[in-house]
Amino acid sequence: TQLLEQSPQFLSIQEGENLTVYCNSSSVFSSLQWYRQEPGEGPVLLVTVVTGGEVKKLKRLTFQFGDARKDSSLHITAAQPGDTGLYLCAGLGAGGTSYGKLTFGQGTILTVHP
Amino acid sequence: NAGVTQTPKFQVLKTGQSMTLQCAQDMNHEYMSWYRQDPGMGLRLIHYSVGAGITDQGEVPNGYNVSRSTTEDFPLRLLSAAPSQTSVYFCASSRGWRSNQPQHFGDGTRLSIL
Repeated sequence: TQLLEQSPQFLSIQEGENLTVYCNSSSVFSSLQWYRQEPGEGPVLLVTVVTGGEVKKLKRLTFQFGDARKDSSLHITAAQPGDTGLYLCAGLGAGGTSYGKLTFGQGTILTVHP
Repeated sequence: NAGVTQTPKFQVLKTGQSMTLQCAQDMNHEYMSWYRQDPGMGLRLIHYSVGAGITDQGEVPNGYNVSRSTTEDFPLRLLSAAPSQTSVYFCASSRGWRSNQPQHFGDGTRLSIL
């Protein structure tokens, strides 16, 4: 079973601050997806990164896939209260019994205070 | 657009009871899956299906059964409920598996086992 370690588990910051969430593994993934989840709802896809070293930007959110495709990060610039939620990373297995299956990190609960 | 519909939204069971969680999607997706979400553990794959008539086990399959008689429906059965199965259950679908296609999640079923 592949493991994806996500940190930090909790993040409480003031509006306007920057933050980074990390996902790390010893396993190689075909791709890495980032989801955001609101209370009472299912996760919703934010972005998929596929190529090692790839960087994708979504407004104030920057996603990076590690060169070796074992890790990823999400950086939010000038966080806003509307960014509050649960952020989940998920890696698509590249081989063996994990091939084609998504492994989720534990999640980061982000709270942005006005 | 309905997307992925899960019923019921909430359920309380007694230990030993059985029940079926329903999941239906209207996007003609071939790949469907069931996850459970527990605090601090992200989402863990229970069972998945790559098409009608084909199912396989995920990371935590014990105590659960699935079937896929149609493309649209993918019910999850709890055979004899145990308190350890108290969780939030999410059904997801995607256009393909072993691919970078996004997972579309339902809003979850919150299940408590007394």
